Amino acid sequence: KAGVTQTPRYLIKTRGQQVTLSCSPISGHRSVSWYQQTPGQGLQFLFEYFSETQRNKGNFPGRFSGRQFSNSRSEMNVSTLELGDSALYLCASSLEGRGEIGELFFGEGSRLTVL
Amino acid sequence: QQQVKQSPQSLIVQKGGISIINCAYENTAFDYFPWYQQFPGKGPALLIAIRPDVSEKKEGRFTISFNKSAKQFSLHIMDSQPGDSATYFCAPTGSSNTGKLIFGQGTTLQVKP
Repeated sequence: KAGVTQTPRYLIKTRGQQVTLSCSPISGHRSVSWYQQTPGQGLQFLFEYFSETQRNKGNFPGRFSGRQFSNSRSEMNVSTLELGDSALYLCASSLEGRGEIGELFFGEGSRLTVL
Repeated sequence: QQQVKQSPQSLIVQKGGISIINCAYENTAFDYFPWYQQFPGKGPALLIAIRPDVSEKKEGRFTISFNKSAKQFSLHIMDSQPGDSATYFCAPTGSSNTGKLIFGQGTTLQVKP
């Protein structure tokens, strides 16, 4: 069974540009969450999508956005990149739906460097 | 929003020793208490989790102890091995936030041979 796939794995952008990251969840998983990991702030929740709807959102500015497609694949976009956006962006999927707690399966992440 | 406090930040243990990592939380609505393990270059992976209806759960060398009144839970790694060297995160959550985990700051464990 294939795991969570994130693309691209590494990318370098300059300030002011925008970036789109992609996540393919495990087959059958309907919930996709995104996290930002930095040495200073640790792992921080960005947002969660379930059945193409944003269900939860973290405390990030509006420059951070996401969406989920009908096949559960998800993308996140960061516009007007800032140096502080340099981080590892992790996608996680889970099988459960609303009200059901379970294991999150993480991808290996997309490492974004902003110059 | 320091809802979750994890300690220690780093830990060095000899092979065969016991590693103990603690997590304190504030939100009494949390009802799922997992520990995630992350190796360099990899995403976190669920190690073990507990629900509040039990005070302890053991899976192999890994044990979670849960103290509801103190709002704390801990991870015990018995007979620690060099392969356990990784970063460990507690990540409690509530039923209404299935995909939203509040991660602790992480504990970097080094097990010396």
